[in-house]
Formats: sequence, C-alpha cells, structure tokens
Amino acid sequence: QSALTQPASVSGSPGQSITISCTGTSSDVGNYNYVSWYQQHPGKAPKLMIYDVTKRPSGVSNRFSGSKSGNTASLTISGLQAEDEADYYCNSYTSSGPAYVFGTGTEVTVL
Amino acid sequence: EVQLVESGGGLVQPGGSLRLSCAASGFTFSNYWMTWVRQTPGKGLEWVGNIRQDENAKHYADSVKGRFTISRDNAKSSLFLQMNSLRPEDTAVYFCARDLFATGSHDHWGQGTLVTVSS
Repeated sequence: QSALTQPASVSGSPGQSITISCTGTSSDVGNYNYVSWYQQHPGKAPKLMIYDVTKRPSGVSNRFSGSKSGNTASLTISGLQAEDEADYYCNSYTSSGPAYVFGTGTEVTVL
Repeated sequence: EVQLVESGGGLVQPGGSLRLSCAASGFTFSNYWMTWVRQTPGKGLEWVGNIRQDENAKHYADSVKGRFTISRDNAKSSLFLQMNSLRPEDTAVYFCARDLFATGSHDHWGQGTLVTVSS
C-alpha cells in the first residue's frame, strides 16, 4: 500500500488554472474509478472536493474538477482564488488489501 | 448538522494501548461505512481502516493490521479504534470520517484527536 505520488507544490496567480496530478498503479488509480480529492487548510480537517474521479459534492465550487487517464488522476482548479491556498490530497481504492491509499499531498500557493 | 467528535487521545508509552472514540450525530449512523484516518504532525494523511455498517466487514492498512481494531456501536452512534502495541510512528492526529458511499470518499470529518507515543 504505497502512497500515491503527487507533486510537492503547485502555484499559480489569481484567475489562472492549475492542475494537480496523482499517480498510482494498475492496482489502484488505473483500474478503479474510486478516486477522491481533499482540501485541507492548516489546523483544519480535510474537506471532500471530488469523489468517484469526477463528481462534486453539493456545495463545492464548480471551479474544481477531476479527471483520470491511465494510472494518473488529476484535480484542476480554475479561476484560482486566494482561498484555494491549501494542501490537497488524492485518495484511491487499492486492491492491495483491499484498502484505500492517500497521495503524498500537494501544497497549492496562490501567488 | 452532521457532527463527528473524536476523543481518547493522549500520551502513551511505546508498547501501550489506547482506545479512541468518535461520537456521531446529525445522521443515521447505522447507514454508513465509517473510516479512521491519521495524520503525522506536519505531514500527510494515512488511511488507517474502515468498517461496514453491520460490522461484518473491516479493512486495515498494512501498517496497523494485527495491532489496531475498529468497532462500532450503532445503538450509541459511536465508532471506536482500539490501538495496541503502539509505536512512536503511530504518533499522529486521528480523524474519524463518514463514507459518502462504499467507495472510500469521506464527506464528513471530525476535528481529530492527538495520540503521542513516547517514553
């Protein structure tokens, strides 16, 4: 159950779009559409932003979108805003267990 | 309003045991899978394990398998994490979370309880 691989940091200017990648294997991201994404501000609990690869929970801005290609899932934030500055984690079901595994986390900075 | 409140964290010596609780309210607890996630201070999230509504299915991360046990009391809307043979690397904030569906997405989280394993 190795952690999924995410870039350590991604940055962008207000209004721009950024994409965070989440790379796994055929045992997790590649073969299951059970990828979710979480936003975490310092000292706070994570917040669900995307589930089942592309679905947005009620109340989450449509500036957040998810996709997947092969063993890599992605979270795109469009129209970047200051409040989007946070840590982001992906999560996927893995057949190694069975269980779930989180990504290594990405710090998003709004310049 | 959905609320999850963890309790039971604290300082414990290596090799010791601790039992965490998560009190749920604002939803029908018995209808949902529940999950424990931990976060080492200043680091990333780690999935610990989950439990099905009827308690007949439980899954654990390799790092805690055989040492941690998840249980629940649907009548009291409570989730538990029994942690035995604790190691320094188990030091973390432990969150309980509600699963949106049985697909690993957690739509509500508690604020976490800190467990410190140190002599």
